[in-house]
Amino acid sequence: QTVVTQEPSFSVSPGGTVTLTCGLSSGSVSSTYFPTWFQQTPGQAPRTLIYNTNSRSSGVPDRFSGSILGNKAALTITGAQADDECDYYCVLYIGNGISMFGGGTKVTVL
Amino acid sequence: EVQLVESGGGLVRPGGSLRLSCAASGFTVSSNFMTWVRQAPGKGLEWLSVMYGGGRTYYTDSVKGRFTISRDNSKNTLYLQMNSLRGEDTAMYYCARDLSGRNWFDTWGQGALVTVSS
Repeated sequence: QTVVTQEPSFSVSPGGTVTLTCGLSSGSVSSTYFPTWFQQTPGQAPRTLIYNTNSRSSGVPDRFSGSILGNKAALTITGAQADDECDYYCVLYIGNGISMFGGGTKVTVL
Repeated sequence: EVQLVESGGGLVRPGGSLRLSCAASGFTVSSNFMTWVRQAPGKGLEWLSVMYGGGRTYYTDSVKGRFTISRDNSKNTLYLQMNSLRGEDTAMYYCARDLSGRNWFDTWGQGALVTVSS
């Protein structure tokens, strides 16, 4: 049973940097999993931030960046702002047409 | 303008059926990868199903055999037929356009709420 793992929560100071990760319960994440990152505020549909590991969606500020760090996909927020406080999700393409979301990370800016 | 508008949500009894619609404008559904994602109250996102432009479909295990993704090209609309509904299917259901077939979601609908309860 494949499980996509994310940190449940993270805290960052205003102006600080935080790196969220997206892993697999067994195995390593690589670009062949096409990691995508989403931001979601309460009551709203998700917003795509990063696709295909490190490509930024239209209109997304460059303080959001994606990468592979070790055996996980990573989303780095540089210069955190108050309105970055929300939930972040990753999704991985795990093969045979199927994708799977991680459990999400709640980011607090304080 | 590229837009997706979902409809068809509502209250349904356990074991019942419901069909969600996702009407597209500004692009052609049959030329794109289209995906359904849901989110139970207070929970995370769950990938459900994808339909490729060529018509191939895939489902996550939790809905396989109960849910069917389809489209009507004449109406430029994507559907999710949901049968044998359970309490754990209670969620907000989103449709999304996937530009790559690998989760590059550029457009999301506003969501349709499905509540399964007796």
